[in-house]
Amino acid sequence: AAGVIQSPRHLIKEKRETATLKCYPIPRHDTVYWYQQGPGQDPQFLISFYEKMQSDKGSIPDRFSAQQFSDYHSELNMSSLELGDSALYFCASRPWTSYNEQFFGPGTRLTVL
Amino acid sequence: EDQVTQSPEALRLQEGESSSLNCSYTVSGLRGLFWYRQDPGKGPEFLFTLYSAGEEKEKERLKATLTKKESFLHITAPKPEDSATYLCAVQEAGSSASKIIFGSGTRLSIRP
Repeated sequence: AAGVIQSPRHLIKEKRETATLKCYPIPRHDTVYWYQQGPGQDPQFLISFYEKMQSDKGSIPDRFSAQQFSDYHSELNMSSLELGDSALYFCASRPWTSYNEQFFGPGTRLTVL
Repeated sequence: EDQVTQSPEALRLQEGESSSLNCSYTVSGLRGLFWYRQDPGKGPEFLFTLYSAGEEKEKERLKATLTKKESFLHITAPKPEDSATYLCAVQEAGSSASKIIFGSGTRLSIRP
């Protein structure tokens, strides 16, 4: 079965650089979520989108922005990277019509040096 | 403030030694409670969704139960491949359906 695809899987950046993470949801899933998971921590909700519009906002820094495109894929743009941004970034998707579980991608490991 | 608390933080068991993981939650109303398994460096893998007190779901050696204030993940005769972090998450009723609140997880280690 198709799963959530994230790219890149690993990314190394310097402080103050920018990064763009991509997420391709499961087909027919129109809702996308972004999470940040620091070492040894639980996933923290950043932001979500439904039908290309932001549906909810969590603890996303102002330096980050995201959007969902017409094909439902989403991109998380991160600017002025800081050492503390090093983490696993997960994307999850689900169909809006269902209150069921979110399906997670494999994550992007971002390392800021 | 809404909270999801998991215990214990870490649990080491001998292969075949059954046990239970706990997830306590404090939300004004529950839309759904989810259990995930997460292996190191990988995304959470969905296990179960529970919606109402008294509900139970099973999958292989795992069984999840739900009361009004907590959920248990029972592991029967575990094997080393069951070693992982088990995350509990809740979705609050009446709020945006977008976000779920995760607990900190229980790191389960099964010794052969």
